[in-house]
Amino acid sequence: NAGVMQNPRHLVRRRGQEARLRCSPMKGHSHVYWYRQLPEEGLKFMVYLQKENIIDESGMPKERFSAEFPKEGPSILRIQQVVRGDSAAYFCASSPHGTGGVEQYFGPGTRLTVT
Amino acid sequence: EDQVTQSPEALRLQEGESSSLNCSYTVSGLRGLFWYRQDPGKGPEFLFTLYSAGEEKEKERLKATLTKKESFLHITAPKPEDSATYLCAVQGNDRGSTLGRLYFGRGTQLTVWP
Repeated sequence: NAGVMQNPRHLVRRRGQEARLRCSPMKGHSHVYWYRQLPEEGLKFMVYLQKENIIDESGMPKERFSAEFPKEGPSILRIQQVVRGDSAAYFCASSPHGTGGVEQYFGPGTRLTVT
Repeated sequence: EDQVTQSPEALRLQEGESSSLNCSYTVSGLRGLFWYRQDPGKGPEFLFTLYSAGEEKEKERLKATLTKKESFLHITAPKPEDSATYLCAVQGNDRGSTLGRLYFGRGTQLTVWP
C-alpha cells in the first residue's frame, strides 16, 4: 500500500522563478494538507484541500502561493516569484476523511532551495 | 490560537536508560493529540493518537499518555534506533477553523547512544 508520494524530493530555483510541488495522497484518501518546515522551526500548516475544493487556506501567504487538488491527478502547491525566505521543506499529508481526530500521514517532503 | 510546547528540546540517553518527553498544550476543545517521529531528511511518521484525558497507548518501547493539559511520551529501555525527533501535534475546535489543521510543537530531538 503506497504511502503519500511527493515530487520532486529536492528543488532548486533562482529568485523570481516558479516552484511547483506535487503530492499524491495515499490510496483511498481524499483529504490533503500542506505544511512548511523552516530551519529550526516546527511544522506550520498552510492549506487543506479536498478534491476540487480548498477547505482552509488560512495558513498560506496571501501572495505568490496557491494550491489545488484537481479531480484527476496530484495536488499542486505553486510558489510564484520565489524569494530566499521560501527555502524550506514542504510536506504534504493525507487522511481518509476530514472529521476531527483523524491522523494525517505525511510524505517524504520536497526540499526547496532558492538561490 | 492553539499552542503546543515540547520539552526538553534535546535529550541524550544511554541505551537502556528510560525517560519521558513532555508536550504541553492549550486548545479550545481537543479533537485529538498526535505523536509523530521524524528522522533527518524524512517526513513525520505517525505513532499515536490520543483523544481524552486518561487515555494511554503503547507501541514497542513507547507509551503515550494524556492529561487535560499535557501528554507524555515514555520511552522504556531505548535503543540507538529510537534516535529521532519526536513531534507532538494537536487538533482542536478553534474559532471558525476547519477540523483539518494540526498545530505542531518544535519537537524533542532524542539521541540514544550505545
